[in-house]
Amino acid sequence: SQTIHQWPATLVQPVGSPLSLECTVEGTSNPNLYWYRQAAGRGLQLLFYSVGIGQISSEVPQNLSASRPQDRQFILSSKKLLLSDSGFYLCACRTSGTTGEQFFGPGTRLTVL
Amino acid sequence: DQQVKQNSPSLSVQEGRISILNCDYTNSMFDYFLWYKKYPAEGPTFLISISSIKDKNEDGRFTVFLNKSAKHLSLHIVPSQPGDSAVYFCAASARGNNRLAFGKGNQVVVIP
Repeated sequence: SQTIHQWPATLVQPVGSPLSLECTVEGTSNPNLYWYRQAAGRGLQLLFYSVGIGQISSEVPQNLSASRPQDRQFILSSKKLLLSDSGFYLCACRTSGTTGEQFFGPGTRLTVL
Repeated sequence: DQQVKQNSPSLSVQEGRISILNCDYTNSMFDYFLWYKKYPAEGPTFLISISSIKDKNEDGRFTVFLNKSAKHLSLHIVPSQPGDSAVYFCAASARGNNRLAFGKGNQVVVIP
């Protein structure tokens, strides 16, 4: 079964600083990969998903970007963080060709001050 | 537009009793439904799912019921245990779609 790694686990960054969150997946090939954000008291908001290397779909206009340089690596970035970027960021994967279960990583808690 | 809705954001239940979580959806193209459980500061874990060709799926203490005509599903946990205290998310997907639509979650507190 797949294992999803995310780092760092927690991050405190000043407004205007850059961001790079990394997600790597083990135990599966050619997965669909997803970035979600859970803001305080809110549900899970899909930010980006990718069906393959270099293929990124953005769900909502925002201050963030995503890249998939390798099959099992998904990166979430920002050039300049905003206060509203604070939240809990989750990476998820789904093995292609299967039914809808997505499996989530442990998450990164980002606080922008 | 929220395609998956979970009302009654919090639920308190006595240990040993039944917990019932409800979920409504608006998109008639949804054909696969899932429940996830989430502890604070952790990623959600997959709990149970149901395809639209079924109206019930059971796995141990967890049962999901689907009413397609009402566009409604529910999760029953019986008996509830203190370790079940968590946020539960309902999610749905449509055939051929890579994405899941999530509800906002229900906080469940099981009182020992």
